[in-house]
Amino acid sequence: QVQLVESGGGLVKPGGSLRLSCAASGFTFSDYYMSWIRQAPGKGLEWVSYISSSGSTIYYADSVKGRFTISRDNAKNSLYLQMNSLRAEDTAVYYCARDRVLEFCSGGSCYTLGWFDPWGQGTLVTVSS
Amino acid sequence: EIVLTQSPGTLSLSPGERATLSCRASQSVSGTYLAWYQQKPGQAPRLLIYGASSRATGIPDRFSGSGSGTDFTLTISRMEPEDFAVYYCQQYGRSPRTFGQGTKVEIK
Repeated sequence: QVQLVESGGGLVKPGGSLRLSCAASGFTFSDYYMSWIRQAPGKGLEWVSYISSSGSTIYYADSVKGRFTISRDNAKNSLYLQMNSLRAEDTAVYYCARDRVLEFCSGGSCYTLGWFDPWGQGTLVTVSS
Repeated sequence: EIVLTQSPGTLSLSPGERATLSCRASQSVSGTYLAWYQQKPGQAPRLLIYGASSRATGIPDRFSGSGSGTDFTLTISRMEPEDFAVYYCQQYGRSPRTFGQGTKVEIK
């Protein structure tokens, strides 16, 4: 069955760095876009970043742009999130998710976007001194 | 970015009752580019509905979605004990993809 398992979370001081990993199994990883989504304690969901199947297309939320780097290794069926210059507001459970994208054009622009299915169990990142 | 507003914030129901959850977008999500997720405490979200009305694999037919443009509805025809959870909508018609703040469905 399709499975996503995150690891690498933990406690880090403000300004510090952390690298999250997501191991995928049960599907052809190299065929799918992948995303990271986070959820602050007791709060809602925030999309963080996504990467195309080949790794050639990458997008970030404005809140993490310039600080986080998404990458993937299709040979290892793995997704990564390098998080630098961490802030207290980055404290959250970080989920990796398989991205079920569609290609479509609307309002003069074209997009490759979709829904998330399935999600991993998440890994907690706590940024605190 | 598109802001999704879910209502009500909390819905108190008894098993067997019908649940109607609303998700309203600040601008059109380009048709039916909307998904619904269920999240139970300590668990990851689970996809229920995509394309506003298509059930995900393995989702019971008591879950249904409707709507287009800016107004969407998730209906649970008869609440089962395992359906009490938080429900989120998510739009994928514009970048960045955004989520609603969630509706908690609790036992009355």
